[in-house]
Amino acid sequence: DAGVIQSPRHEVTEMGQEVTLRCKPISGHDYLFWYRQTMMRGLELLIYFNNNVPIDDSGMPEDRFSAKMPNASFSTLKIQPSEPRDSAVYFCASLQGTHYGYTFGSGTRLTVV
Amino acid sequence: AQSVTQLGSHVSVSEGALVLLRCNYSSSVPPYLFWYVQYPNQGLQLLLKYTTGATLVKGINGFEAEFKKSETSFHLTKPSAHMSDAAEYFCAVREGGYSTLTFGKGTMLLVSP
Repeated sequence: DAGVIQSPRHEVTEMGQEVTLRCKPISGHDYLFWYRQTMMRGLELLIYFNNNVPIDDSGMPEDRFSAKMPNASFSTLKIQPSEPRDSAVYFCASLQGTHYGYTFGSGTRLTVV
Repeated sequence: AQSVTQLGSHVSVSEGALVLLRCNYSSSVPPYLFWYVQYPNQGLQLLLKYTTGATLVKGINGFEAEFKKSETSFHLTKPSAHMSDAAEYFCAVREGGYSTLTFGKGTMLLVSP
């Protein structure tokens, strides 16, 4: 298996622009998570899905953030409009069942200038 | 609510020395415990996990951890550090079958020749 695939690896955008981050989970995994990592706050859970349904989005910082999972093999995290304080590494992770650890993607490093 | 405390944001050891990274957790139910490693510019990789059964768990790269319920601890150890062990290490907890992982702030392991 190719693991959890995220794209792009790096994104530099100007403040006010829309940013879309993409994630392909491992086939057969029924949970998908979006995390954000910063020096100040560490790893923060933004939202997670179970069987493509959003379960908990309480970590999404503002209405500027939205996430979708239209099918079992694809999810997006969108920021519109982006702000410099959104600069971070965004990780996607997937999980099968509840007895195992997550498998993380390589992350997307977002820089908003 | 579950939480994780990692003592020491940075730990320095010499090559060949014992590695000890400390993790204490808080959980209202029997926890599942994990250690992840993150190399620069990469995602998080699962080192080892404790769910049930034997309290001493062995992971990849010679690491092991022991679940001590009375001390609410899950410290990570390796008898002899290698230069390639230099990375950031994250302890994480999940409450039983509840699917969300809560991460500690991470400990950066520095290995000197």
